[in-house]
Amino acid sequence: LAKTTQPISMDSYEGQEVNITCSHNNIATNDYITWYQQFPSQGPRFIIQGYKTKVTNEVASLFIPADRKSSTLSLPRVSLSDTAVYYCLVGDIRDDKIIFGKGTRLHILP
Amino acid sequence: GAGVSQSPSNKVTEKGKDVELRCDPISGHTALYWYRQSLGQGLEFLIYFQGNSAPDKSGLPSDRFSAERTGGSVSTLTIQRTQQEDSAVYLCASSLAAGVSTDTQYFGPGTRLTVL
Repeated sequence: LAKTTQPISMDSYEGQEVNITCSHNNIATNDYITWYQQFPSQGPRFIIQGYKTKVTNEVASLFIPADRKSSTLSLPRVSLSDTAVYYCLVGDIRDDKIIFGKGTRLHILP
Repeated sequence: GAGVSQSPSNKVTEKGKDVELRCDPISGHTALYWYRQSLGQGLEFLIYFQGNSAPDKSGLPSDRFSAERTGGSVSTLTIQRTQQEDSAVYLCASSLAAGVSTDTQYFGPGTRLTVL
């Protein structure tokens, strides 16, 4: 099962673009890459998912290089409300285990 | 439509007591997951169900932990003879169909368990 590595924490300022990179060197061929966001006292919620190249939705973009050994979540023009923990998840439930890891604690400053 | 619900939202118990945590998944979701999150930590995967079956129970921390799911819907996580290290938030999630790597998990608000 692919293991992920993310920075423990990041700080940024309102209006900036924030990029959070996740390393997953042992990603398997059939693995997708999914990012979740978690606010204090809440369960995580889905942000974006991709397999390769670039995926964009209304809240974020996900960049995945050709070797798929890493991925970068990009949050455009962050606001204070983007302060949360962001988890990179790689894996297939058919491995019967899911590893979220410790996530990246993003702190947005005014 | 209703999301994933969990009960109770908070549970305070004494060491050695048994507790039951309940999860109601989104209607129609065949997969259900249990996680544990200690204060300031990431999510620790415990177990998942596809329908009423749990393919692998090795993620459960000890034999004091058990989980079941009935009718392909409600799930109960039971902790027997609780210990202080069991104190954590227990999160439940559901998804449309397990076994698909594109599945999106929808999480409940969690049950905060405190063992005194």
